[in-house]
Amino acid sequence: DADVTQTPRNRITKTGKRIMLECSQTKGHDRMYWYRQDPGLGLQLIYYSFDVKDINKGEISDGYSVSRQAQAKFSLSLESAIPNQTALYFCATSQADTQYFGPGTRLTVL
Amino acid sequence: QKEVEQNSGPLSVPEGAIASLNCTYSDRGSQSFFWYRQYSGKSPELIMSIYSNGDKEDGRFTAQLNKASQYVSLLIRDSQPSDSATYLCAVNQAGTALIFGKGTTLSVSS
Repeated sequence: DADVTQTPRNRITKTGKRIMLECSQTKGHDRMYWYRQDPGLGLQLIYYSFDVKDINKGEISDGYSVSRQAQAKFSLSLESAIPNQTALYFCATSQADTQYFGPGTRLTVL
Repeated sequence: QKEVEQNSGPLSVPEGAIASLNCTYSDRGSQSFFWYRQYSGKSPELIMSIYSNGDKEDGRFTAQLNKASQYVSLLIRDSQPSDSATYLCAVNQAGTALIFGKGTTLSVSS
């Protein structure tokens, strides 16, 4: 089984809908992260969490929220999806600096 | 604003040649440095990490770090077509998440 899993892997939704992307890990890492990737723009940090009670905004947190339900679970929500949130979303985990990525969720907002 | 800069490429090299990928960063307090490889539509995978000035070798890969010049590089010896991918440089300051460059696309022709 994969160490870092993301669900769903693909999602198509409409403008204004609420969407939740989920990330689970079996690596036992304390730290978890959400990134989005747009073509030619690299990985942009949305939110990160260093433990269950710690949540920090990244460089592009507007329009997103997160929940750290347990050490192994970190969810990303789009409260009211808009077309420019169409992107590839990655979850990552780490125990220290080295981050390990999940397979990604491809989200399309129509 | 912390920045990590990479040439977008594409960098084209023939099979068997040395590919040289470069990265500069703006934050002098950065302490750890990473190279990830990403195939199209896939998640980033860690190639190497480097923490001290100098060279670090792992198989066909060599990472080089010069903190005074705020410069990190990755050399790929005996390049293979399977090395064709986007290479992401990432930089971390203690207590924060990784900041990624936009990536350099490498194309190795057979």
